Amino acid sequence: QQQVKQSPQSLIVQKGGISIINCAYENTAFDYFPWYQQFPGKGPALLIAIRPDVSEKKEGRFTISFNKSAKQFSLHIMDSQPGDSATYFCAASKGSSNTGKLIFGQGTTLQVKP
Amino acid sequence: DAGVIQSPRHEVTEMGQEVTLRCKPISGHNSLFWYRQTMMRGLELLIYFNNNVPIDDSGMPEDRFSAKMPNASFSTLKIQPSEPRDSAVYFCASSFWGVGQLGGAFEKLFFGSGTQLSVL
Repeated sequence: QQQVKQSPQSLIVQKGGISIINCAYENTAFDYFPWYQQFPGKGPALLIAIRPDVSEKKEGRFTISFNKSAKQFSLHIMDSQPGDSATYFCAASKGSSNTGKLIFGQGTTLQVKP
Repeated sequence: DAGVIQSPRHEVTEMGQEVTLRCKPISGHNSLFWYRQTMMRGLELLIYFNNNVPIDDSGMPEDRFSAKMPNASFSTLKIQPSEPRDSAVYFCASSFWGVGQLGGAFEKLFFGSGTQLSVL
């Protein structure tokens, strides 16, 4: 099965709060897990990515937590800002082949209220 | 770098007409991907090329869809004849595929701004 399931579908957070988006995958062959951010009228842009040999990766206010045994990974946005309001997609692929062949989650629309 | 360039940004056409979407990948990238985004199906891969060669077209919905990459700096996605259910945002993306620092084979994927296609 190639699915990647993402939740929640939408999220409203107050400025300064923590935004958490979750994803679950089924294919244990997946070994590359990126998160993309998309603003209206734009293409998705890579935010942060992780491979399953680590359980956490942090870049600025963005952190990926990865649980290999549960086949789940999540995006945490610390100190959320109104400029973070966008749609976020998790994705997965088999890195050893060509990881541009991404399987995307359905997306989470994040609204950060000032 | 100007990034991945797609044209046109918007396309409105009537059912049955031929539609051609164009993409210029980032210079130096050797992989090119066509994705489609709809509310119902989300982002789905249609086809991708490595070194101008189509590798996987299993996502192309039917024979009405075709894609070409005649050289490293240009690709087209053609729909003939177009149908209302083809209405979507079509994204082109490019990357460099090779052995990276992590030992894997992937460098990050850069998306264009997309073509909004409406078939009436």
